[in-house]
Amino acid sequence: NAGVTQTPKFQVLKTGQSMTLQCAQDMNHNSMYWYRQDPGMGLRLIYYSASEGTTDKGEVPNGYNVSRLNKREFSLRLESAAPSQTSVYFCASTNRQGQNYGYTFGSGTRLTVV
Amino acid sequence: GQQLNQSPQSMFIQEGEDVSMNCTSSSIFNTWLWYKQDPGEGPVLLIALYKAGELTSNGRLTAQFGITRKDSFLNISASIPSDVGIYFCAGRYYGGSQGNLIFGKGTKLSVKP
Repeated sequence: NAGVTQTPKFQVLKTGQSMTLQCAQDMNHNSMYWYRQDPGMGLRLIYYSASEGTTDKGEVPNGYNVSRLNKREFSLRLESAAPSQTSVYFCASTNRQGQNYGYTFGSGTRLTVV
Repeated sequence: GQQLNQSPQSMFIQEGEDVSMNCTSSSIFNTWLWYKQDPGEGPVLLIALYKAGELTSNGRLTAQFGITRKDSFLNISASIPSDVGIYFCAGRYYGGSQGNLIFGKGTKLSVKP
């Protein structure tokens, strides 16, 4: 089925460990996004990639890095995980055509840092 | 940065009741979107609005783009148990950073015990 695929779905890390969250979309979308969702905080933008070859910081980029590997894939890396990064992470994608576009979200990665 | 004020934060429904929620901003928006998130899943787009005053329905859901362009409303008629979840408003405002969406903090819909 077409859409946004995130891996892994669940992960437990120890403080200081590193990991990469993977995201791939098969809708030929130009733009991709990483959000984190915490209770009562809604969706907060970490990083985004408006098009292949570009990445920009969002609202809460500290402690994260991203790579737009190709048009399909956009990964999020935690170099040294901290308990404050315990969250649910969502990847999203869209085609930026005019003003009329919404995002398609993946089903999320639930990360716990102990 | 720009924020959306979404209310109420949470509400309890009894099957058959009508539900209303809204979102307001301090800036003029050119796009309003409403998403629903089921437990353990990502948000799914319900309704998209692109013109001031626009009223759009999707089954029992109706959303409106406020005429001031600073607000939007979502109504659910005759609620059913599967309406439970978190509803997010999202919008795009003139002059926003590269056209990125801004999200409200969500309205959590639960069933009355």
